Amino acid sequence: DGGITQSPKYLFRKEGQNVTLSCEQNLNHDAMYWYRQDPGQGLRLIYYSQIVNDFQKGDIAEGYSVSREKKESFPLTVTSAQKNPTAFYLCASSTGSGTGVEGYTFGSGTRLTVV
Amino acid sequence: GNSVTQMEGPVTLSEEAFLTINCTYTATGYPSLFWYVQYPGEGLQLLLKATKADDKGSNKGFEATYRKETTSFHLEKGSVQVSDSAVYFCALSEGAGNMLTFGGGTRLMVKP
Repeated sequence: DGGITQSPKYLFRKEGQNVTLSCEQNLNHDAMYWYRQDPGQGLRLIYYSQIVNDFQKGDIAEGYSVSREKKESFPLTVTSAQKNPTAFYLCASSTGSGTGVEGYTFGSGTRLTVV
Repeated sequence: GNSVTQMEGPVTLSEEAFLTINCTYTATGYPSLFWYVQYPGEGLQLLLKATKADDKGSNKGFEATYRKETTSFHLEKGSVQVSDSAVYFCALSEGAGNMLTFGGGTRLMVKP
């Protein structure tokens, strides 16, 4: 079955370290997205990509970086510049070029904790 | 720009009670509207959607009707269960590119 996979489910990081969160999809979707969710809060867009080798900053891109070298993959790196990285990170994908009726497919999330 | 406003939670109900979660939107054109559900510790799942005015989306006993005249897409269920406890997000998508605009989410807690 097609879907979107995030790994790992739980991740612990020491202060000052960079960590990379994986997001892979086999839905043949053009667009992919990264969101951050803090406890009891809504979704905030970090980065998005609507086509391979291209991506745009979202609302809270500072301290994060991404790459989109393959259509299936959109890894997110949380750098040491991100001062408060402890959060739940969600990856999503969509057809991107559709008419807007499809919505997103979400992964199951990665919970990052700074120790 | 586009925006989505949801009622603030938490909404606490007893099992078998009637549920309404309000959602209103602002958009320049004719968006598609969605409800997503997030169970604890998980990602979001599409619950239902409607793509044009007066459409009714339904799934798992939940319903929402696209009301263009009131720019609303309220989520309803006639009899909630404990297993419906989750966070519900209303969202809209307008035009090509398929970007979603999300509301802030509403937490539902159903007590036995």
